Amino acid sequence: GAVVSQHPSRVICKSGTSVKIECRSLDFQATTMFWYRQFPKQSLMLMATSNEGSKATYEQGVEKDKFLINHASLTLSTLTVTSAHPEDSSFYICSARQTGGLSSYNSPLHFGNGTRLTVT
Amino acid sequence: TQLLEQSPQFLSIQEGENLTVYCNSSSVFSSLQWYRQEPGEGPVLLVTVVTGGEVKKLKRLTFQFGDARKDSSLHITAAQTGDTGLYLCAGATDSNYQLIWGAGTKLIIKP
Repeated sequence: GAVVSQHPSRVICKSGTSVKIECRSLDFQATTMFWYRQFPKQSLMLMATSNEGSKATYEQGVEKDKFLINHASLTLSTLTVTSAHPEDSSFYICSARQTGGLSSYNSPLHFGNGTRLTVT
Repeated sequence: TQLLEQSPQFLSIQEGENLTVYCNSSSVFSSLQWYRQEPGEGPVLLVTVVTGGEVKKLKRLTFQFGDARKDSSLHITAAQTGDTGLYLCAGATDSNYQLIWGAGTKLIIKP
């Protein structure tokens, strides 16, 4: 089945530094990838939609200058948390939907295993 | 704004008992997906229901899509400790590439 690889799985960084998280679709192409943030025991909160070759679409309340998204190829999207602060500590998850198909909107998402970010 | 209300948000039961998780909305979805997530991992798709009234079974899990495609349920028969996890429902529409997510149900099955 389709696999999405997310790296790193865990990262600890100091306040003020930047952290880059990678999301790769390993055996399929994904023109669109999604970035989520998840707090303990809660559902996924969509942060932004990453579109290959164009600017990401950010959800209301998500700072685009703080959470930089780059989707340079059909298999790779990156999320960079800039000038991280302790309140940015969270579980970040990416997902991708396979490109094409008769009914793309109904196609399931394939998720990475998430990145646990801790900012000290 | 489309909403998908998922209930209960938390459920702790003994092994062997049955349970049902519900997802309800006033909006019509073209499909509804159920995911299961374990701590420290990403969600994994369990099933997608597309047709109103559809029932799908996955071993002891039974998924149903409402006739009007506004609601769905997940029923687990004779729950096992391995069923413990966060269950998420997500609705898809033809007009929006994003999924509408339920709040999740944290399920704990006690031995």
